[in-house]
Amino acid sequence: NAGVTQTPKFQVLKTGQSMTLQCAQDMNHEYMSWYRQDPGMGLRLIHYSVGAGITDQGEVPNGYNVSRSTTEDFPLRLLSAAPSQTSVYFCASSKGTSRTEAFFGQGTRLTVV
Amino acid sequence: AQTVTQSQPEMSVQEAETVTLSCTYDTSESDYYLFWYKQPPSRQMILVIRQEAYKQQNATENRFSVNFQKAAKSFSLKISDSQLGDAAMYFCAYRNTNAGKSTFGDGTTLTVKP
Repeated sequence: NAGVTQTPKFQVLKTGQSMTLQCAQDMNHEYMSWYRQDPGMGLRLIHYSVGAGITDQGEVPNGYNVSRSTTEDFPLRLLSAAPSQTSVYFCASSKGTSRTEAFFGQGTRLTVV
Repeated sequence: AQTVTQSQPEMSVQEAETVTLSCTYDTSESDYYLFWYKQPPSRQMILVIRQEAYKQQNATENRFSVNFQKAAKSFSLKISDSQLGDAAMYFCAYRNTNAGKSTFGDGTTLTVKP
């Protein structure tokens, strides 16, 4: 039972480069989200999806794009990396009821130089 | 918008003692859920305990319990008989009926002294 799988675990980018963080879940969860965690701060919501084909912005969406073509996958794209996007990124999924907790991936530590 | 505040950036407790982590939140909704997550150095987010707002009874999970005060919008976590493995960052989280969105506090780093 893999749960939520994020790849890669670590990444270094140069300013201006683009890349995609991958997230896949095998629990048939409707809801998926991307968060970033900066030092001394909690998780801040970037984008989320309530089902395939449906996405919406969270608290800090600028500089990021998402799509949800399947239930299982929810990739996060950095369009033009900036040093301010240096952070740890978490993908999470949950069933379509508020009572259930979110299941998190292991996180991706991204450094933009 | 909902906000979650954890006013204690760091806490420490002696092994086998009890510690309480504070969390307050702000919302205008009546139906919501609250969670405490633990994040050890491995970065993995682990659910500790959950509370449904419509339930008056405080949730408990073994050594972990909450004090949920809905009118005061307070949701504190009590850890009894603290163990070295409890050392981690703890996050309080709020989720409304739109289950895809959760709001997290800034976390409390808990140190357990042997």
